[in-house]
Order: sequence, then structure tokens, then C-alpha cells
Amino acid sequence: EPEVTQTPSHQVTQMGQEVILRCVPISNHLYFYWYRQILGQKVEFLVSFYNNEISEKSEIFDDQFSVERPDGSNFTLKIRSTKLEDSAMYFCATGLASREQFFGPGTRLTVL
Amino acid sequence: GESVGLHLPTLSVQEGDNSIINCAYSNSASDYFIWYKQESGKGPQFIIDIRSNMDKRQGQRVTVLLNKTVKHLSLQIAATQPGDSAVYFCAECNQGGKLIFGQGTELSVKP
Repeated sequence: EPEVTQTPSHQVTQMGQEVILRCVPISNHLYFYWYRQILGQKVEFLVSFYNNEISEKSEIFDDQFSVERPDGSNFTLKIRSTKLEDSAMYFCATGLASREQFFGPGTRLTVL
Repeated sequence: GESVGLHLPTLSVQEGDNSIINCAYSNSASDYFIWYKQESGKGPQFIIDIRSNMDKRQGQRVTVLLNKTVKHLSLQIAATQPGDSAVYFCAECNQGGKLIFGQGTELSVKP
């Protein structure tokens, strides 16, 4: 069964450093999303992406965040200058239709 | 504002019993809801969905009920098994696919 994959599974970084989280969508999926989950809290929407542009973004998704599909397959989330409060699980989700979402296993980001 | 929340943060049931997990939402215009299961160390996994033109939808061992009058969702799991132990989230899905998750209920199944 096809799955969304994410790399790395765990990323440790120093505050102020840039990180790039990667997602490989299920083949032929057209809709892409990033969510995050701070430990012990609910999953929060960050951004949705379709047709090579952002469809919707949350207040969390400020100028420090960006997304792209650099090679038409991988979907990446970049945080330019990480803060302590960026520590969380980051989930990628992809779907063939706009309201269908299959989640990846997540990347645990730890900012020191 | 938008919010989706859960009544009970934890639920402990005996194996074989039925489980009921509840959820309240605040946006009366919402028309699509999804229940997700999240096991430790994994991403949310789709369980069942329901549109606002329905009151009830059944899957394999799971049933979702929607009461639009009081803006309430519930997930019923029949004959709960140890493998059902996880955190369960309800989520409201807007037209663009954005999911607004509730806080989550941890279901613990005792053998």
C-alpha cells in the first residue's frame, strides 16, 4: 500500500539554524499539507499547497516558513531561523482530492 | 472563531466493550468531519468521515454520529480491542482541505 514518507525521522538543530523537512507524497497526489504537533497538544494546520502554490496558510506559517516542490516530487518545509518553540512533530499529508489526506509518520524537530 | 474540542481527554475500557468518544465543534457552517486515530510515534490515520447531510455513517466496527443541532460528533467503536488503544482526534475539514483538529482523547483498552 502506498505511503507518505518523511525524512529525517528526527532532526536536532541549534536555535537560529535553518532546517529543511522532506516529504515524499504518494504518487499522483496533487494536494499537499504540513501540520505540526507540539508535544501533548493537538495537531495544528500550517499550510496547504496545490498546483505549485500555497492555497492556505495559518498564522503559525510566518515569513520564517516556506514550502516548495523543488523537483516535482518531494515536498519540503523550510524553517529559516529556528526558534525553541518550533520544536514539535511535523507531519506531511498528501491527497489526490482536496479533502483527502494521508499522513506521513512525521519528523520530530528538536531545537536546542 | 473556529474550534473543535473533545469532552473527555482519556477513556479506559475493557476489551470487548464498546467505546464512545465525543467531540464538539463550534462552526455551524462546517460540512465535513473526519475521525483520526494516532498511535504512538505515528501520524494520524483516517478512520471514518461524515458529511453534514448525514446523521450517521458506519464502517467496520466504527460508527460516527453527527448531531448538527448541538454541534456534536461521536465515534463509536464496537467490541474494542487492544489494538484500538491510541489517541483519537476529530477534525473539521474546510473546503480547501484544511483540517482543524480537536484536542484528542486517549483510549486505553484493558485486556
